[in-house]
Amino acid sequence: AQSVTQPDIHITVSEGASLELRCNYSYGATPYLFWYVQSPGQGLQLLLKYFSGDTLVQGIKGFEAEFKRSQSSFNLRKPSVHWSDAAEYFCAVVFMEYGNKLVFGAGTILRVKS
Amino acid sequence: DTGVSQDPRHKITKRGQNVTFRCDPISEHNRLYWYRQTLGQGPEFLTYFQNEAQLEKSRLLSDRFSAERPKGSFSTLEIQRTEQGDSAMYLCASMGHTNYGYTFGSGTRLTVV
Repeated sequence: AQSVTQPDIHITVSEGASLELRCNYSYGATPYLFWYVQSPGQGLQLLLKYFSGDTLVQGIKGFEAEFKRSQSSFNLRKPSVHWSDAAEYFCAVVFMEYGNKLVFGAGTILRVKS
Repeated sequence: DTGVSQDPRHKITKRGQNVTFRCDPISEHNRLYWYRQTLGQGPEFLTYFQNEAQLEKSRLLSDRFSAERPKGSFSTLEIQRTEQGDSAMYLCASMGHTNYGYTFGSGTRLTVV
């Protein structure tokens, strides 16, 4: 069945350190891929998305993500984390054969140590 | 463009009561989605409208749940005979014709006591 997996429930990094959040999907073709961020009690803000083309995608707030077809992965990265990046991050996928709804992973909570 | 608005932001209700939430999408967006998010989980799809037509419903949407989008503008989500398990954040998103630019509202947090 089609699914989205975020293996890490919590990640803690020091301010200024680099960050990588993992996302894997299960699907026979290349889906549309998204990363969203959610602050407590708030809605979801789009960080970046990938449909096709260059597999390294730049987003807002200094985030980037790389699509790796061979690994069915779309990992989110940031070279230097700021305290304001502390939030919950969701990977989401559109599996085209199953309509245009987003299917979300369970999320990764990012804590930033000062 | 004022974004996607959801009302109310918070709702506390007693078990067995009916509740209704409203979502106002971005005006030019013809597609509207409802999601439910429980603590520690990602949002789960509930239902989808294209204009006024409800094109897809999740199995999560029991017969106590009903959604409408009259005239293809705002949408309402009603839950009848609420149960404690309905406590969650209910998110609305809208999207235009292209580019999969989903825009989410801030959500309605429902607490059933």
